[in-house]
Amino acid sequence: DQQVKQNSPSLSVQEGRISILNCDYTNSMFDYFLWYKKYPAEGPTFLISISSIKDKNEDGRFTVFLNKSAKHLSLHIVPSQPGDSAVYFCAASGLGQAGTALIFGKGTTLSVSS
Amino acid sequence: DADVTQTPRNRITKTGKRIMLECSQTKGHDRMYWYRQDPGLGLRLIYYSFDVKDINKGEISDGYSVSRQAQAKFSLSLESAIPNQTALYFCATSDSRQVDTQYFGPGTRLTVL
Repeated sequence: DQQVKQNSPSLSVQEGRISILNCDYTNSMFDYFLWYKKYPAEGPTFLISISSIKDKNEDGRFTVFLNKSAKHLSLHIVPSQPGDSAVYFCAASGLGQAGTALIFGKGTTLSVSS
Repeated sequence: DADVTQTPRNRITKTGKRIMLECSQTKGHDRMYWYRQDPGLGLRLIYYSFDVKDINKGEISDGYSVSRQAQAKFSLSLESAIPNQTALYFCATSDSRQVDTQYFGPGTRLTVL
């Protein structure tokens, strides 16, 4: 059973607007969450992360929110730019989860139109 | 130069052939990982290594083996390739002092006919 779920395979947003990508998890042992961005023909690149002791982390245009009670996190991109068009993976890690190996969601493809 | 490199970048092989994918890193990280990506399935962990003498199976290790030749090198082998091993393979590294952030190579696209 999937422990990290990204239920929206795709999202389309206009340039300048907000993009919200969602991720749900099932295992309460996860204590660290990350977002990766992936362009075609490239490996995933680290974008932003959040510890389970926080509920928000911000880095420039990117903000990740964590709701532990709902086992839900989201990535907000404001304002969205065409260069943000990529596949976004949510990932989680924690004790007992293959050491510190990451558990990934299936990804959400974001398309930002100008 | 890229911090994490993978060779080859693309490979087409036939069923039953042995194939090795190689990963090298210049980041000085002690931990290395192999993942597989299939369309619609995200990335799944095959094997990981926390140092040269440490090898661990991941979620989908059957049909694969690995070798950690040095801290900077981690290779993945398919002893007898089969068509359902056609996928995109990624190597990643992390620092034990910052274990949760992994850095990925560019990937190897493997096709098994």
